Amino acid sequence: EPEVTQTPSHQVTQMGQEVILRCVPISNHLYFYWYRQILGQKVEFLVSFYNNEISEKSEIFDDQFSVERPDGSNFTLKIRSTKLEDSAMYFCASTPLTGGGEKLFFGSGTQLSVL
Amino acid sequence: EDQVTQSPEALRLQEGESSSLNCSYTVSGLRGLFWYRQDPGKGPEFLFTLYSAGEEKEKERLKATLTKKESFLHITAPKPEDSATYLCAVAGNFNKFYFGSGTKLNVKP
Repeated sequence: EPEVTQTPSHQVTQMGQEVILRCVPISNHLYFYWYRQILGQKVEFLVSFYNNEISEKSEIFDDQFSVERPDGSNFTLKIRSTKLEDSAMYFCASTPLTGGGEKLFFGSGTQLSVL
Repeated sequence: EDQVTQSPEALRLQEGESSSLNCSYTVSGLRGLFWYRQDPGKGPEFLFTLYSAGEEKEKERLKATLTKKESFLHITAPKPEDSATYLCAVAGNFNKFYFGSGTKLNVKP
């Protein structure tokens, strides 16, 4: 079965540094998402992306965050200047259809640790 | 405000001891209710989608049901390998998912 692939699986960075988290969504999918999960807390929506632009973003997704689909396969989340509170598991997800109510396929996540 | 609440937070069962997990929700324009399984350090793994009240879905020892206000995940004769966190999510506009906090299930042999 096709999978959403995320790299790296673990990322350690110093506060104030930029990080880029990478995702390869399933090839025929059209909607892409980033979610995050702080240890012991809910999975939280960050941003959705369709047709090369952001569809919706949450309050968490401030100016420090950006997303990009640089080519036909990759989908990236950039955090410009990391803070301690950005430490979390970041999940990429994708879905094939645009009608809503479709299941999300999640990657295995990138564990980001900001020191 | 769209909201998803799961209970209990944690559930400890003996192998073979059936039980149910609850997910209550409020969302404007429900586009779907989803159950996922999450193992430690992993991404959510899809189990079921339910779209309308009265709908039921089954997979092995798991059965999901849906009413207008809540969903249940019934676990029949669980095994230790069913131990995981079970997440409920509802889909709103733009397929934005609202997740509950999850129920951490521990099945003892």
